[in-house]
Amino acid sequence: NFMLTQPHSVSESPGKTVTISCTGSSGSIASNFVQWYQQRPGSAPTTVIYEDDQRPSGVPDRFSGSIDSSSNSASLTISGLKTEDEADYYCQSYDNNNQGVFGGGTKLTVL
Amino acid sequence: QVQLQESGPRLVKPSETLSLICTVSGGSITDYYWSWIRQPPGKGLEWIGYIYYSGSTNYNPSLKSRVTISVDTSKNQFSLKLSSVTAADTAVYYCARGKLPAVILGWGQGTLVTVSS
Repeated sequence: NFMLTQPHSVSESPGKTVTISCTGSSGSIASNFVQWYQQRPGSAPTTVIYEDDQRPSGVPDRFSGSIDSSSNSASLTISGLKTEDEADYYCQSYDNNNQGVFGGGTKLTVL
Repeated sequence: QVQLQESGPRLVKPSETLSLICTVSGGSITDYYWSWIRQPPGKGLEWIGYIYYSGSTNYNPSLKSRVTISVDTSKNQFSLKLSSVTAADTAVYYCARGKLPAVILGWGQGTLVTVSS
């Protein structure tokens, strides 16, 4: 079964840049689109990146997504960190049967 | 702006069927793929399945035997039925939309469904 692996937690200071990785278990992660979702405590997820590197309207350009085929991984980079960025972040893609697959989530602490 | 709102019973007894409806406003149900996703308390997200307005569906294999997702284009709604529920099905259930299968662009606010006698 296709799986996505994320670090359990990351932390960084305000104003800095943080990168969250998402590694595919098999095949090429570049074959299917990767999305990133932000979930603040007590709230529903929101989409911050879709189709690998696209930002929905309203998402600041401090958020960017990329794919690294050599490591079979996707990354979410947040620059100019703000305390409001503190949240859980989930990567998501799908397998060759178009079954959605989520990573386990990464808790971002901005301290 | 397309908005989604989940509705349905918040408490379901074990072995019974969980039923939720997602009402779509601000857009047509024919424009997107429609998904259900759940999140057990304190845990991560789990894909349940999706439907297109034509009625074609795709379900998580681990839930496939118990899940039915349907669409009502006349009401701009789609629904989820999960049969033979147990405590393990207690979760916040989210409805969501996307332009492509399994690519989520927007989410409902979610509704907590508790399975308990």
